Order: sequence, then C-alpha cells, then structure tokens
Amino acid sequence: QKEVEQNSGPLSVPEGAIASLNCTYSDRVSQSFFWYRQYSGKSPELIMSIYSNGDKEDGRFTAQLNKASQYVSLLIRDSQPSDSATYLCAVSSYNTNAGKSTFGDGTTLTVKP
Amino acid sequence: EAGVAQSPRYKIIEKRQSVAFWCNPISGHATLYWYQQILGQGPKLLIQFQNNGVVDDSQLPKDRFSAERLKGVDSTLKIQPAKLEDSAVYLCASSNIGGAGVKLFFGSGTQLSVL
Repeated sequence: QKEVEQNSGPLSVPEGAIASLNCTYSDRVSQSFFWYRQYSGKSPELIMSIYSNGDKEDGRFTAQLNKASQYVSLLIRDSQPSDSATYLCAVSSYNTNAGKSTFGDGTTLTVKP
Repeated sequence: EAGVAQSPRYKIIEKRQSVAFWCNPISGHATLYWYQQILGQGPKLLIQFQNNGVVDDSQLPKDRFSAERLKGVDSTLKIQPAKLEDSAVYLCASSNIGGAGVKLFFGSGTQLSVL
C-alpha cells in the first residue's frame, strides 16, 4: 500500500464546475497536509495547507481533512481552464522521517472551456 | 526575493556516464531537499539537509548517488554511473525550517535523460 494515494485520473470538468480531488494516507501520525499544483513541465507550487480536521477555504479552493478516515480532499469551485494541471497531495509528520513530505502520484485535472 | 536556482535545466547522457546537478536555495533557508520525479509519479525524496548536515538519506541509492552541501548553502547531487532508470526530473527544494508543516519552495528542476 502506498503511503499517499490519489485518484489516478485524469479528471475532466467543464469550465465553471466544481472539481473534487481526493487523497488518502496510511500513516495515522501524519499531522500536516498539503496540496501542490504542478503545470506541465513546471515544478510543484504549494496552493493549500491544512493541519486540523474540517474545512479550510482560500478563494476558490477548499481543503477538507478527516483524520479519523485518513482522508484529505481539495475542492476547486468555478473551475477555470487555467486550473488545468496535476494536483499533488503531500503528507508529513513531526514524529517520523524528520518531518519529510511524502507525495502522492497526483491527479491530472483538465478544465474544458 | 530570488527563488531556488538549479542548473542545468536539461541533461542528456549515456548509461554508465556520470552527471552532476547544482542547487542554490533561497537565501536564509536552512533546509534543502533533493527530490526525484519520474514521469507520471509524484516527487520522491532522495536526501534532506539541515544546514550542511544530512537529516534523511534513507531513499538515496548510495551505490551510485551522492550529495553534498558545503557551507550550508549550495548543494550538488551526483550520479555515477547513471542507469536508464535514472531518467527523471531532479527537483531541488528549500524551506526556512525543517520538520513537518513547512512549505517547500521548488526550483525549476533538471530533466535528465539517460540513453
């Protein structure tokens, strides 16, 4: 079992729709959760971080965390073609592995005009 | 604020040759990471430095990969000899502190093709 698993995708949504990206993780002591966006041929860029259960909103992005279910998601409202990218979920812990971030393999999102 | 600098941007070598990548982190960032990203996969940590000391190199193939961070600033990652499966993008990242919950700033990466 991979430490961080994401929907393999690709995910395609029409412009203006809500895109939902999901991630599960195996290490119960994980404490910090991140979503990075990676455009084709570019390096990852952090867009959201979440540390406690519940929702965290930032503009059109909402991260949701459920530690009991070991599940984290990213919702993108009013999706735009510029949101087309690969979204990487990353998980880290203060207690293990020197706090390194472990990444999933990403979900590729395409927003169609 | 200048970002993480990496060079070269692209490198093509034949198997069994050696190659080196260079990284200069954001000024003041104590923690430096080297990640390997194979096409279609997420980044995988190879080595993490805190200042000039190694924090985690558990996934570094030490028989062929080596890395150093002299004076706690610039870092070099070397592969010798290269194998076909080393074809990937090598990403350098830095953060101002170590540990969990930190934001990683990535460089533009070096795309390595081993023929």
